[in-house]
Amino acid sequence: NAGVTQTPKFQVLKTGQSMTLQCAQDMNHNSMYWYRQDPGMGLRLIYYSASEGTTDKGEVPNGYNVSRLNKREFSLRLESAAPSQTSVYFCASSESWGEGIGSPLHFGNGTRLTVT
Amino acid sequence: AQTVTQSQPEMSVQEAETVTLSCTYDTSESNYYLFWYKQPPSRQMILVIRQEAYKQQNATENRFSVNFQKAAKSFSLKISDSQLGDTAMYFCAFIKSRGSSGDKLTFGTGTRLAVRP
Repeated sequence: NAGVTQTPKFQVLKTGQSMTLQCAQDMNHNSMYWYRQDPGMGLRLIYYSASEGTTDKGEVPNGYNVSRLNKREFSLRLESAAPSQTSVYFCASSESWGEGIGSPLHFGNGTRLTVT
Repeated sequence: AQTVTQSQPEMSVQEAETVTLSCTYDTSESNYYLFWYKQPPSRQMILVIRQEAYKQQNATENRFSVNFQKAAKSFSLKISDSQLGDTAMYFCAFIKSRGSSGDKLTFGTGTRLAVRP
């Protein structure tokens, strides 16, 4: 059982370049998330998708776009990368959103992105 | 807005001993969920334990247990019989029970735990 799969694992971009981080889950989860992790700041939510067909901004959405392609896949796009976007990015999924279940998040292994 | 505070950036413990990691949170909600996640050097985020606020009994999971003090808004993690594999960053996290479209899991800044042989 693969769980949550993220690609790529590492990426180096030059300022202004664009790229898409891919995420897929095979647990039939309804909700998916993109977080970024920076030293001393924990994990901060970029965007989330409560269910297929919906997306919403999280805490730090500027400079990013997302697409919930289907129930399994949720991609994160950087249109014009900036050095401030150097970070580790995590995709996660959960069974439901706001249902009072407190479903835990299942995480991918992360993507280390460096923007020079 | 909810906030989660982990006041210990780094901790160290001798193998086989017990260590407690602190977490406090601020919320006006009466029901919610709290989590501890572990992030070893492999970078993978692993759920350690979950606590529902309306349950008075503290959650336990093998060597991991929590001390949940709702009135004090405190949620500490106790690791007994520490093992070298417990070396990791530990994150405390919070989510409201009855969510709206704006809810999200809020994380603390983490505590880096080193287990010494």
